[in-house]
Order: sequence, then structure tokens, then C-alpha cells
Amino acid sequence: AQSVTQLGSHVSVSEGALVLLRCNYSSSVPPYLFWYVQYPNQGLQLLLKYTTGATLVKGINGFEAEFKKSETSFHLTKPSAHMSDAAEYFCAVSGYTDKLIFGTGTRLQVFP
Amino acid sequence: DTGVSQNPRHKITKRGQNVTFRCDPISEHNRLYWYRQTLGQGPEFLTYFQNEAQLEKSRLLSDRFSAERPKGSFSTLEIQRTEQGDSAMYLCASSSNRLRDGGSGANVLTFGAGSRLTVL
Repeated sequence: AQSVTQLGSHVSVSEGALVLLRCNYSSSVPPYLFWYVQYPNQGLQLLLKYTTGATLVKGINGFEAEFKKSETSFHLTKPSAHMSDAAEYFCAVSGYTDKLIFGTGTRLQVFP
Repeated sequence: DTGVSQNPRHKITKRGQNVTFRCDPISEHNRLYWYRQTLGQGPEFLTYFQNEAQLEKSRLLSDRFSAERPKGSFSTLEIQRTEQGDSAMYLCASSSNRLRDGGSGANVLTFGAGSRLTVL
């Protein structure tokens, strides 16, 4: 069985500040981990993914995430927030199949 | 590659009516997924197809829901006798297990923009 927990349904930061969105997973098999972003009235867009190899993964728009097996975490970070980063972010896990199990999401607000 | 296309984008219906949503996946993708997303929640898996075969169905998919992918290309999701609790965004995604991204085993799902259902 697999599951994802996203801590904090809402995160607010000032423009230029560090963004940290937390994700912890549970998986009975080696996990593949993903972050997706969803803008209003749009579908989900892949930010980045961890499959194997390097545990620090870089994605689009300056985001990155680090897979920490010992902590079962895959937190998403960005050094400097931009107004355009305001959106809903979803962490997801898959295993032997492509089926994604999503967390409940974190809404990021960026203040000027 | 025109992406994953879903129609209609919005559907408003009265309780008890039937509705059907269509999904056109990326042409070379052999896997197709349906998810449901309600306000404030993450997408929940409903079902998926590999080619025309429906390989898995969630317990969320009651007997009022039926999904088909008759020729292994587009898919339809029909909801019969709609209830207010069916109001949600229905997302379609596709992937291919024939493509390998950097040699990894995880295939990326590409999502459509969704079909929003409102049941009055």
C-alpha cells in the first residue's frame, strides 16, 4: 500500500523568500515520487520526479526536491518565490505500476 | 503532440440525469487513467486502461460509473443517475510503458485540463 501526507494545506511566503512544501510518503515497495503543480482551472503539470539515482532532483521553474529514504520524505523547495508560483502543489507516489497516489495538496500564496 | 484533451470542460446537470465525458490521450500513449478531484482534495484514482483493457477499478467507482476505451484510443466515462455527491473535476491522464525516460522505470502521467461536473 502507498500513501502521501502533505503537511500544511496552506503556505504563505513573501516574494523572494524560501519556499518549502513538505511531503512524506509511505510505500511497501521502492517508491517513485513526483511533484505536480495545478494552476486555477488547469490540469496538473509535472514539476519534477524522483525515480532512481541522484536523490536531489531539479525541476522546472527553479524548484527542486530531495528524496530522503531514512525520513520517508520528498520535500519541495525553491530558494526565491515569485508571484507566478502561487498555485496548488501535489506530491504523489507510485510503485510497480504507473498509478499515482496523491496527497491532499498544499496551496501556496505569494505576497508582494 | 497536442496533449490530453477532455470534453466537455464544464457540465451542469440535474440530479438523476446521465452524463458522459470524453478523453483523447496523447496518441502514442497506451495507458489511460481517470481521476476525480473534489474541492480541497488531491486527485483520487478511479480506473485505468492499458490499450482497450480496463486493468484496475477503484472502490470509488460505483456501479453508476462506467468507463470504456473501445479501440484503445479515446475513452469515455459515463455517470448514470447523477447525485450531488458526484460534483467534482474529472481528470484524465495518459502514459506509455513503451517509452523510457532516461532508462527509469517510472512513466510520467500527462494530465488533461479536466471536466468539471456540477450536479444541481
